[in-house]
Amino acid sequence: AQSVTQLGSHVSVSEGALVLLRCNYSSSVPPYLFWYVQYPNQGLQLLLKYTTGATLVKGINGFEAEFKKSETSFHLTKPSAHMSDAAEYFCAVSNYNQGGKLIFGQGTELSVKP
Amino acid sequence: DGGITQSPKYLFRKEGQNVTLSCEQNLNHDAMYWYRQDPGQGLRLIYYSQIVNDFQKGDIAEGYSVSREKKESFPLTVTSAQKNPTAFYLCASSILNFGYTFGSGTRLTVV
Repeated sequence: AQSVTQLGSHVSVSEGALVLLRCNYSSSVPPYLFWYVQYPNQGLQLLLKYTTGATLVKGINGFEAEFKKSETSFHLTKPSAHMSDAAEYFCAVSNYNQGGKLIFGQGTELSVKP
Repeated sequence: DGGITQSPKYLFRKEGQNVTLSCEQNLNHDAMYWYRQDPGQGLRLIYYSQIVNDFQKGDIAEGYSVSREKKESFPLTVTSAQKNPTAFYLCASSILNFGYTFGSGTRLTVV
């Protein structure tokens, strides 16, 4: 069975600092990996995804993530945090035989201090 | 523009009432999903449908019902059997393995 673990339910950074949100997955077949962002009282918005090919994936708002098979990880990073990055972030996994159904992590709330 | 629309944005339910949350998409996606979100509990899958006239229970289906009579529509009914329905409900759709497109959510409150 597939699963996703997001390390840290809450992460706090200073404005301008590096953002690192951790995601580890479990999958017996090659995974498809996703990061979503959710602002208060809104739906989730896709930040980036990895399906095949290049393991470093660039997304919207300056975020990127690297698929590391050996570490079963897909950590999300951004070099310099902005106040507008404060939100909840969800990592998710799927694979080719799941019919597109995603398994979500528990989410990480990112706070950005001025 | 293509998208997924949930309505209403806010909904109030009295004890013992059934209420229906609407979810419509014009993305031509085959699959649709309903999630419940409570503070600190992430997303929990209620029901999903991968094809018209077929749907499957998710992890927390008790007290909920759905239908999928049209590809574009996947309404969720919260029945009186659901004892703690106050939550934020999210609908999503997908095609193949390209990830989900989410609606903007419905916040349901019991009064």
